[in-house]
Amino acid sequence: ETVMTQSPATLSVSPGESATLSCWASQSIRSNLAWYQQKPGQAPRLLLYGASTRATGIPPRFSGSGSGTEFTLTISSLQSEDFAVYYCQQYDNWPTFGQGTRLEIK
Amino acid sequence: QLQLRESGPGLVKPSETMSLTCTVSSDAIRSSNYYWGWIRQPPGKDLEWIGSIYNSGSTYYNPSLQSRVTISVDTSKSQFSLKVTSVTAADTAVYYCARQLGSGTYFDYWGPGTLVTVSS
Repeated sequence: ETVMTQSPATLSVSPGESATLSCWASQSIRSNLAWYQQKPGQAPRLLLYGASTRATGIPPRFSGSGSGTEFTLTISSLQSEDFAVYYCQQYDNWPTFGQGTRLEIK
Repeated sequence: QLQLRESGPGLVKPSETMSLTCTVSSDAIRSSNYYWGWIRQPPGKDLEWIGSIYNSGSTYYNPSLQSRVTISVDTSKSQFSLKVTSVTAADTAVYYCARQLGSGTYFDYWGPGTLVTVSS
């Protein structure tokens, strides 16, 4: 099993600023990583796949980078609707998710 | 716009079998490009992939759940289903169905989820 670890657990950022979320894999997953956004009471929403490719309809303020075992999601110019929980998911082998980072308003 | 929707009992007794169905809009379930998966999320906890199925019936499962889980597909009804046997309180979760682009990849469309509570 590939264990995914996200950091920090909670990130407090002011609207208009940028946020950087991290995700580590317990072994190399190449670029087989996706990021999701989840708001309370809703299903996760795909943001990025292939570590850096935005899904359909995702604004360019969401960007991803990394390969191997270290990955980053950056959200620039935070909007009010961006405050949510973010999960990474690897799919190099059977899918596993990180424990999430809660992005809250500072 | 593709839509998925989960349905099934919201309350199941311990040791019984839980059954859920996901209905997919349009004929997308017959497409050769996609797998169809189940993911669950216990209240306040993390996401856990349960298993996925192709329209031919080919399946693959989370090894930690494989002994209790069966996923099946009925393309004539545009549905796929999940059965979990011998449920316990640990199976209490919101269950999501989702579309997966190919075998073992990411999930691009999700149903809204359905809460299943295991309790006597």
